[in-house]
Amino acid sequence: QQQVKQSPQSLIVQKGGIPIINCAYENTAFDYFPWYQQFPGKGPALLIAIRPDVSEKKEGRFTISFNKSAKQFSLHIMDSQPGDSATYFCAAGTGGFKTIFGAGTRLFVKA
Amino acid sequence: GAGVSQSPSNKVTEKGKDVELRCDPISGHTALYWYRQRLGQGLEFLIYFQGNSAPDKSGLPSDRFSAERTGESVSTLTIQRTQQEDSAVYLCASSLIGQANSPLHFGNGTRLTVT
Repeated sequence: QQQVKQSPQSLIVQKGGIPIINCAYENTAFDYFPWYQQFPGKGPALLIAIRPDVSEKKEGRFTISFNKSAKQFSLHIMDSQPGDSATYFCAAGTGGFKTIFGAGTRLFVKA
Repeated sequence: GAGVSQSPSNKVTEKGKDVELRCDPISGHTALYWYRQRLGQGLEFLIYFQGNSAPDKSGLPSDRFSAERTGESVSTLTIQRTQQEDSAVYLCASSLIGQANSPLHFGNGTRLTVT
């Protein structure tokens, strides 16, 4: 019940495409859903986060869609660029400290 | 300001040896976390420190793993009698407060290879 399931494992899109990464969770106590971006050789960095009281959040070209009833959330990257090529992790947490991470999606954006 | 600093960046050791990994968190961050990232996989929680409270060690995979932190400063993760399955990137993160909605700031990790 503590798992966060992420798909796909890897994704290749053309420049300008809109990659979509999906995550699902079981624990209804989760109330904070961040996405982290990780470049090779670097640690993950917070990209964008959402709470379950909103259905969508946009920051620049990155959008989180949240479906509370389905217990699913997704990341969309508009007008993707080669510089967006990275590994993306969804995560979920409660009021406590522990953040549960998905397995990650390796995104490659072709020039 | 300075981010989370980890050392060494790479460590190659022989099976059976002990290793010590170091993490310097962001100044003022009371919470510190260690995660393990195996090749191509997600982040596996190991241990959490919050101020002077007792650490949460629930993610440590075996008694060969231990970690220390003095106050709100440097932390060290020690792996005794290393095994090949310990090969991974060990990531340290700190946050301003110990809550899930307090963003984690990660270091660049220590890549451990056990031969």
